[in-house]
Amino acid sequence: AQSVTQLDSHVSVSEGTPVLLRCNYSSSYSPSLFWYVQHPNKGLQLLLKYTSAATLVKGINGFEAEFKKSETSFHLTKPSAHMSDAAEYFCVVNPSGTYKYIFGTGTRLKVLA
Amino acid sequence: GAVVSQHPSWVICKSGTSVKIECRSLDFQATTMFWYRQFPKQSLMLMATSNEGSKATYEQGVEKDKFLINHASLTLSTLTVTSAHPEDSSFYICSAGGASLDTQYFGPGTRLTVL
Repeated sequence: AQSVTQLDSHVSVSEGTPVLLRCNYSSSYSPSLFWYVQHPNKGLQLLLKYTSAATLVKGINGFEAEFKKSETSFHLTKPSAHMSDAAEYFCVVNPSGTYKYIFGTGTRLKVLA
Repeated sequence: GAVVSQHPSWVICKSGTSVKIECRSLDFQATTMFWYRQFPKQSLMLMATSNEGSKATYEQGVEKDKFLINHASLTLSTLTVTSAHPEDSSFYICSAGGASLDTQYFGPGTRLTVL
């Protein structure tokens, strides 16, 4: 069975410090993996996606994620948090050959001034 | 590119009335669109998958007669909440599948409040 686990429901960081949002997945196939961001009362914006090319994926707004098959992880990082990064972040897996997304439960990122 | 719009962005209606929400792919053709429901501080729950020109596929537990989906063209899908009740109040989000279908592009969402 396919699943996604976001290990932290809430993360707080100070502005200018690194961000780490953790995601582990379970998939029987070679999945596509995504990170989306959702600001309050808004839809989801694609940050980045992994589709079996380079394991280190660079996204928008300075975010990147590394696919580690041995650890079944796809953690999202950013070197320096900005106030505008405060939002909900969703890790998503799309098992190979399907069109359905499997969502993690989300991580709420708070950025402190 | 890959912009998806939803209309309206928010709607308030009386209990017992029906509400229609539109989802449009603005700059690409979407053979598949998805409808999600999101409760406060929760993740997205897939309600149904809509394919152009055919009947929608509903997820288990979603009433197809209550949530009517029509995917009339490659750029438009509609969700009609029939005989809405307060428990239908939620944030409804659509997404459209791109050419590879491994990437979904999401609309901005519609906030429905049923009084």
